[in-house]
Amino acid sequence: GNSVTQMEGPVTLSEEAFLTINCTYTATGYPSLFWYVQYPGEGLQLLLKATKADDKGSNKGFEATYRKETTSFHLEKGSVQVSDSAVYFCALMDSNYQLIWGAGTKLIIKP
Amino acid sequence: NAGVMQNPRHLVRRRGQEARLRCSPMKGHSHVYWYRQLPEEGLKFMVYLQKENIIDESGMPKERFSAEFPKEGPSILRIQQVVRGDSAAYFCASSPGTGSLYEQYFGPGTRLTVT
Repeated sequence: GNSVTQMEGPVTLSEEAFLTINCTYTATGYPSLFWYVQYPGEGLQLLLKATKADDKGSNKGFEATYRKETTSFHLEKGSVQVSDSAVYFCALMDSNYQLIWGAGTKLIIKP
Repeated sequence: NAGVMQNPRHLVRRRGQEARLRCSPMKGHSHVYWYRQLPEEGLKFMVYLQKENIIDESGMPKERFSAEFPKEGPSILRIQQVVRGDSAAYFCASSPGTGSLYEQYFGPGTRLTVT
């Protein structure tokens, strides 16, 4: 069946460091892929998405590229800020339009 | 345009009681999804509804759980005779359509604690 695996947290970085949060998936066909972010005490917000192979989603300095050959959708940011501290979820949309989620990665950015 | 509203934000129930979780979708959205997040786990799909119809309930436990989205009013997720294992965060999302072209907008969640 479909599944999403993302790196365990928490990930702790200093401000201005480079960020990578790994995400790999297992799916039949070519699902759309998403990154959602959950700030403390808030609901989930769509951060970026990619709907086909080699697409790059980007938003707020974050990027992720849909890699069919490695079945990956790693999240990257060149220079993180304290305000990026949150929980990040990788997800795919299956053929029934359900979102299948990774377990989430907590990111802590220290000033 | 107000976002997706969920209430209550926190709900405490004793074992055997009923829990009712409400979700008001964004204005103009007729598609509602419910997800459950158990402690230390990712979200799991529960049910997808459109107005007055359950479209996909493949993620709902067979017993004690039910959901509705009436013509008027919020969507309701109802859990009867709650048990400790029902303690989780329950998230509702809404969208104007279905498929990857339509973003699902999430509410802040209801955190259910069963004592």
